Amino acid sequence: QVQLVQSGTEVKKPGASVKVSCKASGYAFTNYGVTWVRRAPGQGLEWVGWINGYNGHTSYAQKFQGRVTMTTDTSTSTAYMELRSLRSDDTAFYYCARDIDHEIDYWGQGTLVTVSS
Amino acid sequence: QTVVTQEPSLAVSPGGTVTLTCASSTGAVTSDYYPNWFQQKPGQVPRALIYRTSNRHSWTPARFSGALLGGKAALTLSDVQPEDEAEYYCLLHYGHFWVFGGGTKLTVL
Repeated sequence: QVQLVQSGTEVKKPGASVKVSCKASGYAFTNYGVTWVRRAPGQGLEWVGWINGYNGHTSYAQKFQGRVTMTTDTSTSTAYMELRSLRSDDTAFYYCARDIDHEIDYWGQGTLVTVSS
Repeated sequence: QTVVTQEPSLAVSPGGTVTLTCASSTGAVTSDYYPNWFQQKPGQVPRALIYRTSNRHSWTPARFSGALLGGKAALTLSDVQPEDEAEYYCLLHYGHFWVFGGGTKLTVL
């Protein structure tokens, strides 16, 4: 069965970086993309970006350009999202989701990132 | 800045029908925006319901349907059940990026 398993809770100080992983199983990783979404407290879902699981091409939301980097390791079927220069308003649950041809289906369980001094 | 607008809140009685809409600041929503719809309940992971305007996932109950309606993407829930109380989000594609709507909080009275 398709599963996306994310790394655990992170607590970071302002200005630090965080790298969240998303390990996929149950499907051919390179046939799909991975979308990253976040939900901050009191806010709605927010699209962060996307990476092509085959060639590593990326697309990021404009507000994260320059602060986010998405990568994959096809040998372990794992996607990564690194967010730098963290601020308190980056505190959120971060989710990865499988994506193919404009269809988003399976989601990871979410990773809570807390940014606090 | 591209904005996707949904009704902030709607209420429906059990067994009733309700339609949630999703509008784009760029103009009429067409199938080229590949609308996706998601449901999220408190403390849970978002769940995909509809992709590419009107396609249900294998786990999506038949009472959920997606369409284009009056220049917007629309999600219709028929025979609403108490467990349908949740937040619903649409997601639209703009060439190289996606934008979520602000979400609709659906209350089942």
